[in-house]
Amino acid sequence: GDSVTQMEGPVTLSEEAFLTINCTYTATGYPSLFWYVQYPGEGLQLLLKATKADDKGSNKGFEATYRKETTSFHLEKGSVQVSDSAVYFCALYDTGFQKLVFGTGTRLLVSP
Amino acid sequence: KAGVTQTPRYLIKTRGQQVTLSCSPISGHRSVSWYQQTPGQGLQFLFEYFSETQRNKGNFPGRFSGRQFSNSRSEMNVSTLELGDSALYLCASSLEGRDTEAFFGQGTRLTVV
Repeated sequence: GDSVTQMEGPVTLSEEAFLTINCTYTATGYPSLFWYVQYPGEGLQLLLKATKADDKGSNKGFEATYRKETTSFHLEKGSVQVSDSAVYFCALYDTGFQKLVFGTGTRLLVSP
Repeated sequence: KAGVTQTPRYLIKTRGQQVTLSCSPISGHRSVSWYQQTPGQGLQFLFEYFSETQRNKGNFPGRFSGRQFSNSRSEMNVSTLELGDSALYLCASSLEGRDTEAFFGQGTRLTVV
């Protein structure tokens, strides 16, 4: 089946630093790709998505581009804030098994 | 618009008991999916319901079951609880399922002792 691999955490940054969280996927075909964020004690919130190659998803200063050639969907933000501290999940929609497939999550810690 | 509501938020059960969790999707959404989140296994798909029919099921034992009502509300049931069933159970709703945008509830934290 399809799978998602994302970088191990935690990622520790100072406020206003540049953020990259790497995500690569293995899939048959070209699935829709997503980034979800989970704050402590909460469920998942959709951060951004891309449905086809070269699409760029963006929201709240976060961006990710669907790269078919490298099967990647890396999450970036130019200047992180303390409030961005959370766990970030990369996911794809597996059209064969008709379900979301998640990576293991990357914890981001931003200090003032 | 109200979000996805899961009840209860927290549960403590004893091994061997059974438990029922509830999920009320966003109004108008017909697809409800359930996921189990644990530190060891991450987020694992349990099942998806669409218009009262189970469309898809993950790789979980038969002790895990669910249903969806005509108003799209969904319940999942776990019988003969085991310690390993301790997890955060998340419900997600979407308009049509598949790769349309899924909205998650806050989850039910189940602890089996």
